[in-house]
Amino acid sequence: QKEVEQNSGPLSVPEGAIASLNCTYSDRGSQSFFWYRQYSGKSPELIMFIYSNGDKEDGRFTAQLNKASQYVSLLIRDSQPSDSATYLCAVAASGGSYIPTFGRGTSLIVHP
Amino acid sequence: GAVVSQHPSRVICKSGTSVKIECRSLDFQATTMFWYRQFPKKSLMLMATSNEGSKATYEQGVEKDKFLINHASLTLSTLTVTSAHPEDSSFYICSARESQGRDEQFFGPGTRLTVL
Repeated sequence: QKEVEQNSGPLSVPEGAIASLNCTYSDRGSQSFFWYRQYSGKSPELIMFIYSNGDKEDGRFTAQLNKASQYVSLLIRDSQPSDSATYLCAVAASGGSYIPTFGRGTSLIVHP
Repeated sequence: GAVVSQHPSRVICKSGTSVKIECRSLDFQATTMFWYRQFPKKSLMLMATSNEGSKATYEQGVEKDKFLINHASLTLSTLTVTSAHPEDSSFYICSARESQGRDEQFFGPGTRLTVL
């Protein structure tokens, strides 16, 4: 059984701070890692994907992958109230024919 | 990013009727589409995986005769909820993945189904 674990939160951070969201996974064969943002009542939106160990930066977002420790994290710098949402981690084996496994999501609240 | 549309966005129907939800990839060809269901404040639940031109693969516990999936073209998949009951009321979301070798899924905006 492939598992993707996330702390459900809520994680509360003040505006302007760094929000750190973590995700661990059980399948060592996993090669593709995704972070989605889901606002209440809306569908998920892809914000980052990462395939290689290390950091990947895109604007205020940084994804960090450590395959040896089987975790992937998402850092949000200069957090804004508009970042308040549920963040879903998804993990898949590579190749395009594999079904990603989603975590239950972490609720982030950025307060002014 | 790739765009996926869903129609309708919201539907209210009477118990016992059938409802069809369309999922379209607008600017790419989707060899694989996924159908999810999400109850309020709960996580995404994968219902089925649909590959163009073949039968859908349903997750354990999902009734294939109740949730009919058709993926007739590379840009369109449909989910039909047959003989809907109030417990089928949920947020149904499709996602699409581009050609083999690309892993990113792009989600449609979702369809909120309310069965009276």
